[in-house]
Amino acid sequence: DTAVSQTPKYLVTQMGNDKSIKCEQNLGHDTMYWYKQDSKKFLKIMFSYNNKELIINETVPNRFSPKSPDKAHLNLHINSLELGDSAVYFCASSRLGAFGNEQFFGPGTRLTVL
Amino acid sequence: DAKTTQPTSMDCAEGRAANLPCNHSTISGNEYVYWYRQIHSQGPQYIIHGLKNNETNEMASLIITEDRKSSTLILPHATLRDTAVYYCIRGSGNTGKLIFGQGTTLQVKP
Repeated sequence: DTAVSQTPKYLVTQMGNDKSIKCEQNLGHDTMYWYKQDSKKFLKIMFSYNNKELIINETVPNRFSPKSPDKAHLNLHINSLELGDSAVYFCASSRLGAFGNEQFFGPGTRLTVL
Repeated sequence: DAKTTQPTSMDCAEGRAANLPCNHSTISGNEYVYWYRQIHSQGPQYIIHGLKNNETNEMASLIITEDRKSSTLILPHATLRDTAVYYCIRGSGNTGKLIFGQGTTLQVKP
């Protein structure tokens, strides 16, 4: 059973389009995240939701809008795609707690904007 | 600002222990040290984390200095499948925020 799954795995689209990436976790975690890994392999957190509430919102253009319909899902919608949005996007989930947390990552979605 | 410093790359012979150092001299008292790795283009994989004490699990050991300014990840018997980028990260358990740096590319050689 896949713990954290993302769809689609690959996404190729034109500049200016709107697209969504879906993420689901079956681990019963209360927190989910979106990360972006650019062409230089630098991995950066974008958003985090805890129990459907936004708790981390890094400096991300407002063209990116996360949506969490329930604790098991965190989708990423991107409006007016730009060339610089090309990257691999990873979803992750964890339990939050004072004793540290292990994040489980999905396989990634490779977005290419032409 | 990754707030941790790691060597860019390291080599290790297959079957030998791989010792990956990390400097986190400005770590706060409530921040954990996490280690993750990323094999090729897969999603990062959690390895281990600790606060003050040394930790060991089925994958690795984590040695944290008494002043908490540095740590070492030890893979006791490296295999070719351990070739990956290893990230040392400071993070809070309360927010889950992980700030990844450039990591160390570990190449395990036969």
